Amino acid sequence: DAGVIQSPRHEVTEMGQEVTLRCKPISGHDYLFWYRQTMMRGLELLIYFNNNVPIDDSGMPEDRFSAKMPNASFSTLKIQPSEPRDSAVYFCASSGGPRGEQFFGPGTRLTVL
Amino acid sequence: GENVEQHPSTLSVQEGDSAVIKCTYSDSASNYFPWYKQELGKGPQLIIDIRSNVGEKKDQRIAVTLNKTAKHFSLHITETQPEDSAVYFCAASRASNDYKLSFGAGTTVTVRA
Repeated sequence: DAGVIQSPRHEVTEMGQEVTLRCKPISGHDYLFWYRQTMMRGLELLIYFNNNVPIDDSGMPEDRFSAKMPNASFSTLKIQPSEPRDSAVYFCASSGGPRGEQFFGPGTRLTVL
Repeated sequence: GENVEQHPSTLSVQEGDSAVIKCTYSDSASNYFPWYKQELGKGPQLIIDIRSNVGEKKDQRIAVTLNKTAKHFSLHITETQPEDSAVYFCAASRASNDYKLSFGAGTTVTVRA
């Protein structure tokens, strides 16, 4: 398996623009997680899905953030409008099977100018 | 919610020596404790995990110990090598309910040749 795939790997945008981050989980995994990593706050869970259904979005910072999972092989995290404080590395992770290990993607480094 | 504290934040060791990282958690219901290694520019990678029904687990040069009474767990790396240099994260979750992980702040390990 290719592992968790994220795109783009790097994104530079201007304040106010819409940003869409994409994730393809490992085939067969039924949990998908979106994390944000910053120096100040470390790794924060934003939202996670089980069988394409959002289970816990309590980590989503505000209404500017939204996430969808239209099918088992694709998820998006959207920020609209983006702000400089959204600059961070965003990770997608997936999990499945009885042990529950989470496997992380390579991340998307977002810079909002 | 769960609160995981990790110490030290940085650790420098001579090649061949041992490295120990300690974490404490607050939620007595937590029963799954993974450790992740993150190399520069990459996503966190699971290196070892332990569940509450055991007190110790070992995988080659890496071992993890768990003390449920004291609510702390530790990562031990023996015979450190330069490729062990990375950021290490501990985490905790209630794997019986869901796979939501709470992460520690991370430890930057540097192995001096």
